[in-house]
Amino acid sequence: EDQVTQSPEALRLQEGESSSLNCSYTVSGLRGLFWYRQDPGKGPEFLFTLYSAGEEKEKERLKATLTKKESFLHITAPKPEDSATYLCAVQNSGAGSYQLTFGKGTKLSVIP
Amino acid sequence: GAVVSQHPSWVICKSGTSVKIECRSLDFQATTMFWYRQFPKQSLMLMATSNEGSKATYEQGVEKDKFLINHASLTLSTLTVTSAHPEDSSFYICSARKTPRVDNQPQHFGDGTRLSIL
Repeated sequence: EDQVTQSPEALRLQEGESSSLNCSYTVSGLRGLFWYRQDPGKGPEFLFTLYSAGEEKEKERLKATLTKKESFLHITAPKPEDSATYLCAVQNSGAGSYQLTFGKGTKLSVIP
Repeated sequence: GAVVSQHPSWVICKSGTSVKIECRSLDFQATTMFWYRQFPKQSLMLMATSNEGSKATYEQGVEKDKFLINHASLTLSTLTVTSAHPEDSSFYICSARKTPRVDNQPQHFGDGTRLSIL
């Protein structure tokens, strides 16, 4: 059974204080690992897809990296508008319907 | 873009009522759509996978007669919660994948429907 564990559950940062969120996963075969951002009362917003170990992707202040067991979402000099819950999900290469298994997310709060 | 519209965003109704939720892909075609349920501080739990023109595939523990799914076109899927009861109150979210199917394509999500059953 595929499993995704995200840590920490919640993170408070001062504006400008860089940090990383962790996503550990167990999957028999990884087709892709996905990062989403979810604001309160909204659906998840797609950020990145990572396909293989060693891959990195960047978008503004966010950078996602991938190893064979975990992924990190690095946030550089965060701003209050980066406050949200960040979700990690994996897609098993055997998932014929392209289903995703989600972690519980990390709630990020950036304080001005 | 990849915009998914979900309607209504919020609904309150009496116990025993049936409620229909619509999920539309506005600027792309979606052969496959997904329906999730999310509880506070919990992850998204997949309820069912909806494929255009065929019957939906339900996850274990999800009552197919309770949660009716129809995917009649490449841009529309509906979820009907039949004879809803307070325990069905939750946040329901749909997602869609672009067609044609390409491995590793992300799912694009609607903004969810908050369902409250009195």
